[in-house]
Amino acid sequence: SQKIEQNSEALNIQEGKTATLTCNYTNYSPAYLQWYRQDPGRGPVFLLLIRENEKEKRKERLKVTFDTTLKQSLFHITASQPADSATYLCAGGANNLFFGTGTRLTVIP
Amino acid sequence: NAGVTQTPKFQVLKTGQSMTLQCAQDMNHEYMSWYRQDPGMGLRLIHYSVGAGITDQGEVPNGYNVSRSTTEDFPLRLLSAAPSQTSVYFCASRIGTDTGELFFGEGSRLTVL
Repeated sequence: SQKIEQNSEALNIQEGKTATLTCNYTNYSPAYLQWYRQDPGRGPVFLLLIRENEKEKRKERLKVTFDTTLKQSLFHITASQPADSATYLCAGGANNLFFGTGTRLTVIP
Repeated sequence: NAGVTQTPKFQVLKTGQSMTLQCAQDMNHEYMSWYRQDPGMGLRLIHYSVGAGITDQGEVPNGYNVSRSTTEDFPLRLLSAAPSQTSVYFCASRIGTDTGELFFGEGSRLTVL
């Protein structure tokens, strides 16, 4: 069955560094991938969408890549801040979205 | 705009009881869906709807019913609650029926004793 995997459950980085989160997909070829941010006790909030024919997309300090050969998306936060601490979810699919289990990012001051 | 509104935020049920989780959106979105989120499992799709009068099953539909009589509302019914249905439930909507970002509600935390 189609699967979205985020292998890192947690990631700690120092403030100011670049955080890189990984998302892999198996058993299907999503037309696009999406990234969401989720804070404790809140619903996920959409951040970025990247289509399979786009190699890279940027929004302020965020950058997402889509590598169809590796079946992988990388999500980068540059110049990270403590306020970036949250769980980040990767999602893929067509009509319906399948979500990974998320990576909990902690940015240490 | 209120976005996606879910009620109640918290609920405790006894095994075998029934209840309805309410979801309403004021963005005129065609697509609405229900997910459950469990530790280590991520968000899993329960049911979805691509418009009023149309519903379909997701990954984990057993034990849940839905209906979509209006564009705005998409209630999720638990017919006979079981402890395995203890979870956080999220309603989400989007403008398009086949693509686009999802707008999530704040969640409903359900405990079944």
